[in-house]
Amino acid sequence: EAQVTQNPRYLITVTGKKLTVTCSQNMNHEYMSWYRQDPGLGLRQIYYSMNVEVTDKGDVPEGYKVSRKEKRNFPLILESPSPNQTSLYFCASSLDIPTGANVLTFGAGSRLTVL
Amino acid sequence: AQKITQTQPGMFVQEKEAVTLDCTYDTSDQSYGLFWYKQPSSGEMIFLIYQGSYDEQNATEGRYSLNFQKARKSANLVISASQLGDSAMYFCAMSLVSGGYQKVTFGIGTKLQVIP
Repeated sequence: EAQVTQNPRYLITVTGKKLTVTCSQNMNHEYMSWYRQDPGLGLRQIYYSMNVEVTDKGDVPEGYKVSRKEKRNFPLILESPSPNQTSLYFCASSLDIPTGANVLTFGAGSRLTVL
Repeated sequence: AQKITQTQPGMFVQEKEAVTLDCTYDTSDQSYGLFWYKQPSSGEMIFLIYQGSYDEQNATEGRYSLNFQKARKSANLVISASQLGDSAMYFCAMSLVSGGYQKVTFGIGTKLQVIP
């Protein structure tokens, strides 16, 4: 089954304790991205990647890191989480289509709480 | 910079009636894609419909249609014959490919509730 898998689905952590949210897709998609969803703010893009070793900042990259060493994986790293990073996080992937016709396939979401 | 505006935080519609969810966008690019996604209370994001900026006809997918008015920069979603299962958050999004990079921007969403 074509899918985007992210883990963990739920996580409660404390301020400053490094954590990684993994994301993996099995569709050979070039494009992968991370979003955070907050009430009243919709989905905001954190980082995206056009292909292996090619990443760029989205609209809210502060406090996050990413890497794309393999095409299928795009982990999101919070080096020193803070309470304002409490949110629902989505990973998504798509084909790289020059016209912009790139339908995103989303993971199930990871709900992160930072105390 | 690109921007998506959804001005209806919440809407109600009677079952079997049609409803229009508004979306306006802002970009100076000529090539872009417009999307609608549905998020039920279970949380997953579901793709509904896509419209390309060069497409002359409005996109349709079953009960969903996208009313694309390029000059007004609007991409409203029309749901015909609403069903109880249509109760969800709906997000409008725009994809831009520029200089070899692709960015996707979402609106803040509209919460639709279908009344029996």
